[in-house]
Amino acid sequence: AQTVTQSQPEMSVQEAETVTLSCTYDTSESNYYLFWYKQPPSRQMILVIRQEAYKQQNATENRFSVNFQKAAKSFSLKISDSQLGDTAMYFCAFTAPLINAGNNRKLIWGLGTSLAVNP
Amino acid sequence: DGGITQSPKYLFRKEGQNVTLSCEQNLNHDAMYWYRQDPGQGLRLIYYSQIVNDFQKGDIAEGYSVSREKKESFPLTVTSAQKNPTAFYLCASRRFGGGQPQHFGDGTRLSIL
Repeated sequence: AQTVTQSQPEMSVQEAETVTLSCTYDTSESNYYLFWYKQPPSRQMILVIRQEAYKQQNATENRFSVNFQKAAKSFSLKISDSQLGDTAMYFCAFTAPLINAGNNRKLIWGLGTSLAVNP
Repeated sequence: DGGITQSPKYLFRKEGQNVTLSCEQNLNHDAMYWYRQDPGQGLRLIYYSQIVNDFQKGDIAEGYSVSREKKESFPLTVTSAQKNPTAFYLCASRRFGGGQPQHFGDGTRLSIL
């Protein structure tokens, strides 16, 4: 079964510090994409960062970076210099094939990690 | 600015009533999706569509229906057959191409009266 596990339901971090959110997944596919999305209290789902499984280099987007370990099926998110605006639910997801959909893919989602950044 | 508009933001359904959630995008995206979000359960795929006049069931399609008469629009109807419709509903779209991310609307909160 294709699954995503986020083992930390809740985390907290002090403003300006660094925090790492963990994510492991299970798939038999060889090529896929991984994503981290954040959902702040406004409930809008916002893309944070993405990684192609074929690329060994870890993706970075400003203060956000990932540690992608393909063999271990691990995709953790590191947030540096945490800011109050980073307070949100963070979801890990990866692409999986859709039936009768050609090259279209669906996203398999984890249950999320609730991150609180404290002043 | 381009984006995805969902309306209404809040919706209430009476017993036995069908209700329709609107989703419009002006991003010229090919594929559109509907997700249901319940507390502690993450996002689950209801329906998806790749082109106009074509759509497919996702993982939890029972009690829901959709249409895709225009590229920009993908409305979701929650029918009376859906016995537990209270949830947060998110619409998404994406351009075809490897790694293209899904972009989301602001969601609709549906509750039972």
